[in-house]
Amino acid sequence: NSKVIQTPRYLVKGQGQKAKMRCIPEKGHPVVFWYQQNKNNEFKFLINFQNQEVLQQIDMTEKRFSAECPSNSPCSLEIQSSEAGDSALYLCASRRDSSGNTLYFGEGSRLIVV
Amino acid sequence: TQTVSQSDAHVTVFEGDSVELRCNYSYGGSIYLSWYIQHHGHGLQFLLKYYSGNPVVQGVNGFEAEFSKSDSSFHLRKASVHWSDSAVYFCAVSSNNNNAPRFGAGTKLSVKP
Repeated sequence: NSKVIQTPRYLVKGQGQKAKMRCIPEKGHPVVFWYQQNKNNEFKFLINFQNQEVLQQIDMTEKRFSAECPSNSPCSLEIQSSEAGDSALYLCASRRDSSGNTLYFGEGSRLIVV
Repeated sequence: TQTVSQSDAHVTVFEGDSVELRCNYSYGGSIYLSWYIQHHGHGLQFLLKYYSGNPVVQGVNGFEAEFSKSDSSFHLRKASVHWSDSAVYFCAVSSNNNNAPRFGAGTKLSVKP
């Protein structure tokens, strides 16, 4: 069973609405990743953190997406103004160190933008 | 350009058959290679990884994978599949730093009874 907790499992939003997803990484894992998986199973890396600091993010994330990993609170990914193309499974994963070690994934949050 | 290629989108076998799922990569420097499994509607679960040492690595549920530097490959194998192995399998590559792992397009394995 996954120890990375993602909520909600499903969310339905209208175009232009905000969509917010949360992730509690596995205990003791300071590195957190967000990926977008589309209906063709393709992964797109969005952003990653080490503790509260952003390590990398793609251009799309900088403009319409906002994310944070505050101390003692769940990490979050928020789409400021949802578009139809944002419909996807959003996967959060955590890792215990900064090397290329194993990722532990949550069950994902499936966003449907109508 | 760093790439991960899984040439087979869909593989169908019968229960008890052996299977090999292919992964080829184009990466520079030291890398981690991993395989993950995703059952429909769920997140990914780690199967196995390679960084150095013995090129054949053992994973969970009877899976193994073999690294080949000359072929730039990291193919996943199982000697005798079970119906519960039906899922999508992803190969992932990452460099030895904070860069996010890059995933292949996935191979859907269907195991018929």
